[in-house]
Parts: sequence; C-alpha cells; structure tokens
Amino acid sequence: EAQVTQNPRYLITVTGKKLTVTCSQNMNHEYMSWYRQDPGLGLRQIYYSMNVEVTDKGDVPEGYKVSRKEKRNFPLILESPSPNQTSLYFCASSLDRGRSGYTFGSGTRLTVV
Amino acid sequence: QKEVEQDPGPLSVPEGAIVSLNCTYSNSAFQYFMWYRQYSRKGPELLMYTYSSGNKEDGRFTAQVDKSSKYISLFIRDSQPSDSATYLCAFHRGGGADGLTFGKGTHLIIQP
Repeated sequence: EAQVTQNPRYLITVTGKKLTVTCSQNMNHEYMSWYRQDPGLGLRQIYYSMNVEVTDKGDVPEGYKVSRKEKRNFPLILESPSPNQTSLYFCASSLDRGRSGYTFGSGTRLTVV
Repeated sequence: QKEVEQDPGPLSVPEGAIVSLNCTYSNSAFQYFMWYRQYSRKGPELLMYTYSSGNKEDGRFTAQVDKSSKYISLFIRDSQPSDSATYLCAFHRGGGADGLTFGKGTHLIIQP
C-alpha cells in the first residue's frame, strides 16, 4: 500500500529536550515536505526537499531542522523544542512537487511543556 | 488581500442535502486546483484535482473552477454523515513551482 508513515503519533516532551519525528514514504517520490497545522492558521510549510541532499525552508522554518540522506526518509528535528512548537505535524510526499497533490502521513501530535 | 480565503464554518446540513464548499483566491498564477478531506486526528486526503476551468465529477463529488472569478467550489450530492470532516482547498502554481497553498479549511457537519 502506498503510504507516508510518521512516528511517533503522539509525543509529550519538555522544553529544550531534542527530539526527532521520523517520516518515510514507499512511493519513490522525490519531493517531501513537512507542515504544521494550528487552529485558525491552517497548514503551514516548515521545510521541503526536492531530492536527496536538497532541502529548503518553507514559511515557518525557525526552530526546526531536516535532513534528506535517503530518498524515502525525511526526518524533522527539533533541537531545543519550545511550547510554541506544540502543534500537529504532517509529513507529505509528491511525485511532481505537489502539482497533482500530496500524500500525507497520519500526523504527529506534539506537546511541549 | 489574503491569497486564499475559505469560510471556516462550521457548516451544518441535514443528511441527503447538497453541500457547497467554496474558496476564493487572489493569485493568478495558480493553475492546479484541489480539494482535500481531513477527518479528525487524520492526515488530509486528496479528493479532487483539476487543472482547467469547468467542472469535474467523481461519484457524489463535483469540483468546479472559475478562473475568471478566481473561485473554486466543491459540491457534495446526497450528503452522508460519513462526509462530516474538514475540507481544505489547495492550489499549485504549476511549472517549476514548489508546494501547495492551502485554505484554512471548512468544518462540515452532516446531521443524521
């Protein structure tokens, strides 16, 4: 089954404790992206990657890092999480930079206390 | 002017009604138009995807694009309680552009 898999689904952590949210896709897509979704603000792009070793900032990159060492994986790293990063995070992938749509993962609900 | 405007709702209608969901946009460069459905605690899933102006039908769903008015719509016929979800419009500029621009979503409730 074609899918984007994120882990963990839920995470509660403390301010300043580094964490990584993993994302993996099995569709051989070159394009991958991370979004956060907040009430009243909708989906906002954090980072995206057009291929292995090619990443770029989205609209809200502050406080986040990503890496793309393999085509299938695109982890999101929060080196020093803060409470304003409490959010619902989605990883997505696309065959054609989103032109025909994204396939989204099921989401990671992050709470930073 | 916001790039995409979408009424957040909630929109509550009785089962069996025809539902109309809408987005307006200001960016003339948008060439691809999509609708996503998002159930609570789930990721968005692609419902409809169109390139040109006009209508596209898929079962009970019809997507309509009016580029001259910068207005897109999603119609749901014979609405069911299982259609209760948040519906997001999304846009792509085409060519070598990257990524999608999303509306904030309309929360739809179908009352049994």
